[in-house]
Amino acid sequence: AQKVTQAQTEISVVEKEDVTLDCVYETRDTTYYLFWYKQPPSGELVFLIRRNSFDEQNEISGRYSWNFQKSTSSFNFTITASQVVDSAVYFCALSEVGGSYIPTFGRGTSLIVHP
Amino acid sequence: DSGVTQTPKHLITATGQRVTLRCSPRSGDLSVYWYQQSLDQGLQFLIQYYNGEERAKGNILERFSAQQFPDLHSELNLSSLELGDSALYFCASSVEIDTDTQYFGPGTRLTVL
Repeated sequence: AQKVTQAQTEISVVEKEDVTLDCVYETRDTTYYLFWYKQPPSGELVFLIRRNSFDEQNEISGRYSWNFQKSTSSFNFTITASQVVDSAVYFCALSEVGGSYIPTFGRGTSLIVHP
Repeated sequence: DSGVTQTPKHLITATGQRVTLRCSPRSGDLSVYWYQQSLDQGLQFLIQYYNGEERAKGNILERFSAQQFPDLHSELNLSSLELGDSALYFCASSVEIDTDTQYFGPGTRLTVL
C-alpha cells in the first residue's frame, strides 16, 4: 500500500530564509509518480511538479527546487529566499501502478513566511 | 487558474438534506476525479470517471454518488447529509488516466448545520 509522510506539520520562517519541506513515501511499485501541490489561503490546489520514479535528477524552477532520492524514499522541496507569498500548505503526493495511479496525499506542511 | 470550474463555491445546508456539486473539467480532459478535504481525514480520493464511465472508487460513502455526462462535466451528489460531511470538495481533471497530472478546481466548501 502506498503512503506519504510529511512529518513537518508547520514551519515558520522569516522572509528570505531558505526552507525545506520533507516528504517520505512508501511504495512496493517500481513505477510511480511523485507530486507537490500548493494550497494557498484562498484554498485552491496548485500543481507544482510531477516526477516519475525513473528520473532522479534534481529539478530547479526559479526559487523552487526538488531533491528526489530513491535510496531514502524522499522527495524534498526547497524554497530559496522565501517570500510572504509562499505562505501556504504544501502537499506531497504519490501515485503508483498498483494503486491505479490514484494519488495518495500526505497530510501537508503549513509554511508561514513572516515579513 | 487551472481551467477546472466548480459550482457552487460555498454551500450551507442542514443535516438530512441532499446537495449536488458540479464540476467542468479543463477543455479536452476526459478524466474527472472527486476529492474530499477535511481536517480529520486530510485530502481523500472519492471517485474517478473517464469519458463517462466510472473508473476507480476510493473512500466514497454509499450516501454519495457521482456521474459524468456526455459533455464530460461531472456531478457529485451527497445525500442524507451529516455534520461530518462538512468539508471542501475538490474536482480535478486530466487529459487521460493513469500517469497524467491532475489539475484541481477551486473547490466547493460544504457546511452542514
